[in-house]
Amino acid sequence: DIVMTQSPDSLAVSLGERATIHCKSGQNLLSSFNNKNHLGWYQQKPGQPPKLLINWASAREPGVPDRFSGSGSGTDFTLTISELQAEDVAVYYCQQYDGVPYTFGQGTKLEIK
Amino acid sequence: QVHLQQSGPGLVKPSQTLSLTCAISGDSVSANNIAWNWIRQSPSRGLEWLGRAYFSSRWYTNYAPSVRGRITINPDTSKNQFSLQLNSVTPDDTAVYYCSRAAPGMDAWGQGTTVSVS
Repeated sequence: DIVMTQSPDSLAVSLGERATIHCKSGQNLLSSFNNKNHLGWYQQKPGQPPKLLINWASAREPGVPDRFSGSGSGTDFTLTISELQAEDVAVYYCQQYDGVPYTFGQGTKLEIK
Repeated sequence: QVHLQQSGPGLVKPSQTLSLTCAISGDSVSANNIAWNWIRQSPSRGLEWLGRAYFSSRWYTNYAPSVRGRITINPDTSKNQFSLQLNSVTPDDTAVYYCSRAAPGMDAWGQGTTVSVS
């Protein structure tokens, strides 16, 4: 199984400031087949299912605010929220879809400082 | 817009079978390059992918090692839905269960079903 490790486990950021979440994969997620990183970022709010924010490590999903961005390649990835808004309080997860079993990171809880 | 609607009981007795269904609207369970998944979430396990079914000239299924041998995911083309059966459940199977569509990021999710094994 591909182990996904996120850091930090929790994060408190002031409104309007930048939040950065890291995800490290136990295997290279850059596919030689399509030259894409097989990684997604999700946001989960209490009582709701996860919501896909970023596909292919850096492709924002339709309707996702442009303050959310994804970067990285291979085994190291980053989700950045450029100017934190109150509605961004949530738990964020990375997930690899390079191979089954699909695996998720343990989650990063983002709060307002 | 794809919508997934889950149904099934929220309470299952130990050693019995957990059965959930996910009805699809806005897409087809037989669509190419789409996988239909079951995932569960609990405080002890986090988000755990259980398995998937997908159609590519024929039907394929893949299951997580943690539940292989106990799990079956069945697509139903006549009703455009797919189901989860998890046999011989124990209290450790207590979790919120989700269905999802993977294309390949999971861009649509069911509302979640809280299943307690007791």
